[in-house]
Amino acid sequence: DGGITQSPKYLFRKEGQNVTLSCEQNLNHDAMYWYRQDPGQGLRLIYYSQIVNDFQKGDIAEGYSVSREKKESFPLTVTSAQKNPTAFYLCASSARDGGNTIYFGEGSWLTVV
Amino acid sequence: AQTVTQSQPEMSVQEAETVTLSCTYDTSESDYYLFWYKQPPSRQMILVIRQEAYKQQNATENRFSVNFQKAAKSFSLKISDSQLGDAAMYFCAYRSARYGGSQGNLIFGKGTKLSVKP
Repeated sequence: DGGITQSPKYLFRKEGQNVTLSCEQNLNHDAMYWYRQDPGQGLRLIYYSQIVNDFQKGDIAEGYSVSREKKESFPLTVTSAQKNPTAFYLCASSARDGGNTIYFGEGSWLTVV
Repeated sequence: AQTVTQSQPEMSVQEAETVTLSCTYDTSESDYYLFWYKQPPSRQMILVIRQEAYKQQNATENRFSVNFQKAAKSFSLKISDSQLGDAAMYFCAYRSARYGGSQGNLIFGKGTKLSVKP
């Protein structure tokens, strides 16, 4: 089945560690996105990529990094510089920028322990 | 910059009845798209309905319909014959139709939590 797969579903991070969240899509979409969701807030954009080997910072990129080496993959690394990383992270993709609908993966929970 | 406002943090509806969720947005653009997404307890974001700003006709998807008022910058969602499975967070979102840069990213409201009473 076509879709967006995020892993792991749950992840725990110790203070000072970097962790990487995986996002893979088999929809042949050009654009991919990472959003963060905190209680009482909507989704906020971390990074986005419209094409392989290119990505742009979103509204809250500090403390995060990404890569886009393959069209299907857009991993997100939460670095130790991110002061409050505990949140729900959603990966998304769309066929192209503009009017096409953005579809979401099932999300990943990250907790700092 | 565009903004999306959902003024109802929580709503409640009786099963089989109709409920309307409100959304307003602010933009200087004339061409854009509006969406309603549903987020059940599983937390996955599910597309409910989509509206193109250049279309005057309101979008409908089975029991879900919108009231799109472009001049008023209003985009409400009506759920008819509410079912227990409709209980979820509902997010209104805006997306520019312009290509390139950050214009194509979704801008979300803070959501409305809908409860359905049996």
